[in-house]
Amino acid sequence: GENVEQHPSTLSVQEGDSAVIKCTYSDSASNYFPWYKQELGKRPQLIIDIRSNVGEKKDQRIAVTLNKTAKHFSLHITETQPEDSAVYFCAATYSGGYQKVTFGTGTKLQVIP
Amino acid sequence: DAGVIQSPRHEVTEMGQEVTLRCKPISGHDYLFWYRQTMMRGLELLIYFNNNVPIDDSGMPEDRFSAKMPNASFSTLKIQPSEPRDSAVYFCASGGLQYEQYFGPGTRLTVT
Repeated sequence: GENVEQHPSTLSVQEGDSAVIKCTYSDSASNYFPWYKQELGKRPQLIIDIRSNVGEKKDQRIAVTLNKTAKHFSLHITETQPEDSAVYFCAATYSGGYQKVTFGTGTKLQVIP
Repeated sequence: DAGVIQSPRHEVTEMGQEVTLRCKPISGHDYLFWYRQTMMRGLELLIYFNNNVPIDDSGMPEDRFSAKMPNASFSTLKIQPSEPRDSAVYFCASGGLQYEQYFGPGTRLTVT
C-alpha cells in the first residue's frame, strides 16, 4: 500500500518568514495530493491540493509543488502569520476507480510573533 | 450547505457499552470516509464507502467496529463493546468525484 512520510514533525518560524513542509510517497499510481490544516480542537480543513498533471499551484501565500519523478511534494507558506500556527497534514490519493487516501503524520507549525 | 454533520460531538461511556456515531455527508458527494485520530497513531482511515457500498474496511481495528451506510445521507460507526483504548476523535468526511474531502467537526469519544 501507499506510504507517506512527512517532515519535519515540528517547525518554528518567526512571523513574516517562510515555512516549508515536505512529503514523500511510495505509490507511483497516486495522482492527487491535498494538504490539510488542523487548528487545535478543530477538524482538518483542505487548504490546497495538486494533481499529477501539474507541477506547482499557488493560492495567495500558499503554494504546493510536486515532483512526480522523485515522488515528493511540498507545501510553502510565505509571509507567515500567527494564525498560520496549526498542524498541517499532507496526503496522497490513488484515484484508480476508487479513492484510497493515505495521510502523513503531520507537522506542527508554530509562528512566533 | 451545512457541510458534514456529525453527532454526538462528545460521548463519554463506560467500558463494555455500545457506542454509535452518526454522520450526514454533504449532499451530492459519492464518497464517505470514517477516520480516527489519536496523538499516538495520528489520523487513521478506518473505512470508506462509495455510493453507499463499503469499499475498503482494512483500517477497521477489529470486529468490535462496524460501519453502515443505509442511504446516501446517513452513515453510522458502531463500537460494541467499547474499550478505553477506543478513546479518540472520530471524524467523518465526504468527498466528490474530484477527490477532495471535507471533514465533519468530529466526535470526541471517551471510554472510561
